[in-house]
Amino acid sequence: KNEVEQSPQNLTAQEGEFITINCSYSVGISALHWLQQHPGGGIVSLFMLSSGKKKHGRLIATINIQEKHSSLHITASHPRDSAVYICAVLSETSGSRLTFGEGTQLTVNP
Amino acid sequence: DAMVIQNPRYQVTQFGKPVTLSCSQTLNHNVMYWYQQKSSQAPKLLFHYYDKDFNNEADTPDNFQSRRPNTSFCFLDIRSPGLGDAAMYLCATSRDRWNKQFFGPGTRLTVL
Repeated sequence: KNEVEQSPQNLTAQEGEFITINCSYSVGISALHWLQQHPGGGIVSLFMLSSGKKKHGRLIATINIQEKHSSLHITASHPRDSAVYICAVLSETSGSRLTFGEGTQLTVNP
Repeated sequence: DAMVIQNPRYQVTQFGKPVTLSCSQTLNHNVMYWYQQKSSQAPKLLFHYYDKDFNNEADTPDNFQSRRPNTSFCFLDIRSPGLGDAAMYLCATSRDRWNKQFFGPGTRLTVL
């Protein structure tokens, strides 16, 4: 079992829909990252969370430390949001090493 | 403004011919990381520098080396690239080990 699991693996939505991507982890963490990667492209760091909730534009990330769970929400989704979204955790014992989830491939159709 | 810059964006090399990938940052961050990402896989950490201290991952092949001549620059040297080394190479930086990592656009390496 991976230490970081994401669901769903693939998600297709219509433009304007509200989207949720989930991340569960099994280790104690100091922080959790949500990352975005477009096809063939580099990685953009969307959020780093250690508690609560963060919002940036149409993106919202929440984390529940007790339940070892985080969610990434996209409101009013747009085709340009189509990308792979990756959850990665910085565990309490791993030093600088991020442990990555498998990623969620999001496709938003016009 | 670009904060983590990688050059070149695309690199083609021949089997066994040494290649160097470059990363620079304008953030004055202490930590610089090199990741390897193969198709449809998660990035894999190769090594990182905390200031001048080099930290190699246990399973990083000896074929991969790194240099950090100053705070702003970090290089990835692949001494004898094999076909299996074809991948996207991502550089990232963070202010400290526990801080948010900022990624560069990556260099896609092709080995012929």
